[in-house]
Amino acid sequence: EIVLTQSPGTLSLSPGERATLSCRASQSVSSTYLAWYQQKPGQAPRLLIYDASSRATGIPDRFSGSGSGTDFTLTISRLEPEDFAVYYCQQYGDSPPNTFGQGTKVEIK
Amino acid sequence: EVQLMESGGGLVKPGGSLRLSCAASGFTFGTYSMNWVRQAPGKGLEWVSSINSYSTYIFYGDSVKGRFTISRDNAKNSLYLQMDSLRAEDTAVYYCARAVRLVFDALDIWGQGTMVTVSS
Repeated sequence: EIVLTQSPGTLSLSPGERATLSCRASQSVSSTYLAWYQQKPGQAPRLLIYDASSRATGIPDRFSGSGSGTDFTLTISRLEPEDFAVYYCQQYGDSPPNTFGQGTKVEIK
Repeated sequence: EVQLMESGGGLVKPGGSLRLSCAASGFTFGTYSMNWVRQAPGKGLEWVSSINSYSTYIFYGDSVKGRFTISRDNAKNSLYLQMDSLRAEDTAVYYCARAVRLVFDALDIWGQGTMVTVSS
């Protein structure tokens, strides 16, 4: 089973700043099958990025994903007030289980 | 509007059973693989189960294998999760979610979730 470790656990930033979130896999993720989700309190997760770098429908271009193998990054170029939330990575290779990281909380500094 | 709506959650005693449903609308349900994902209170996301469009490929997470059963009825645009032998650690919000393309894939549409509480 691939274990995903996200860092940092909490990121304290101000609106307008750049956010860089990391997701490290315990073994190589096949075919860059990695996604990023945003979750706000009381809401379902929202898909931001799939296949490591493809933005989902309707996602603003300030969100970008990169990486391959075992190291992946979600970058939010300029934080908007609505971007403060918890972010999860997920790998979905060619066999079960799908696994999620433990999450990174982006909070207002 | 593309939408998923779960129902069937509630309070159940340890060892009991519950059946969750997920009603899909706004898309051709029968052409998509579907998933259940849960989230314990204050915790992260945990994948529970996946089923492909024809119900020929079904997978479960280790924590629910042998106790939970995923199924679907494409004629009724509905996904189900039969949960038996429930334990306190199954307490969570259960989400149904649509896979983008394959049975193992990113999940692009999520329901609002239904709460399951296992307690005596």
